[in-house]
Amino acid sequence: GAVVSQHPSWVICKSGTSVKIECRSLDFQATTMFWYRQFPKQSLMLMATSNEGSKATYEQGVEKDKFLINHASLTLSTLTVTSAHPEDSSFYICSASGNTDTQYFGPGTRLTVL
Amino acid sequence: KNEVEQSPQNLTAQEGEFITINCSYSVGISALHWLQQHPGGGIVSLFMLSSGKKKHGRLIATINIQEKHSSLHITASHPRDSAVYICAVTGNQFYFGTGTSLTVIP
Repeated sequence: GAVVSQHPSWVICKSGTSVKIECRSLDFQATTMFWYRQFPKQSLMLMATSNEGSKATYEQGVEKDKFLINHASLTLSTLTVTSAHPEDSSFYICSASGNTDTQYFGPGTRLTVL
Repeated sequence: KNEVEQSPQNLTAQEGEFITINCSYSVGISALHWLQQHPGGGIVSLFMLSSGKKKHGRLIATINIQEKHSSLHITASHPRDSAVYICAVTGNQFYFGTGTSLTVIP
């Protein structure tokens, strides 16, 4: 089946720094990628939807200047958490879909902001 | 073998029918999620549970930790319930099932 990878798997950073998370579709072209986050003991929350070559569509309440999403190619999307703070500590997950509606999920990136 | 197995893969039901989707997992988990995806849309979280049973409207989710099994039930199904339903578990990382595509016919 289709494979989606995320890098890094986990990251620890100091407050105020920016962190970039990569999401790659390894064996298919992902026309759409989704970014989710999960706070401890809470369920998944959709943050944004990105289509290759166009601006991401953010869900209500998600700051687009805080969470920069770039989907410059059909195999790569990046999420940059700018000026990260401890409240941004979370589990970030991407998923990707190609020609069908089937979504393939990445394994997630655990971000801890000190 | 996938860490999370769902059945059935595809399901067609008549409006009003009672629907059950099953999920079995093989890893240790802290929580299990039931997710819903409408065509072209992102995932919506329906339930997160770590024990027992939860109910929201016509949807009921149960989990048996000892048997490593969960079920999602939809009572009085409606065409708007047509979607892909995904079971996911949280352990050291997220593990996702491949989804169950549900079509409810009027």
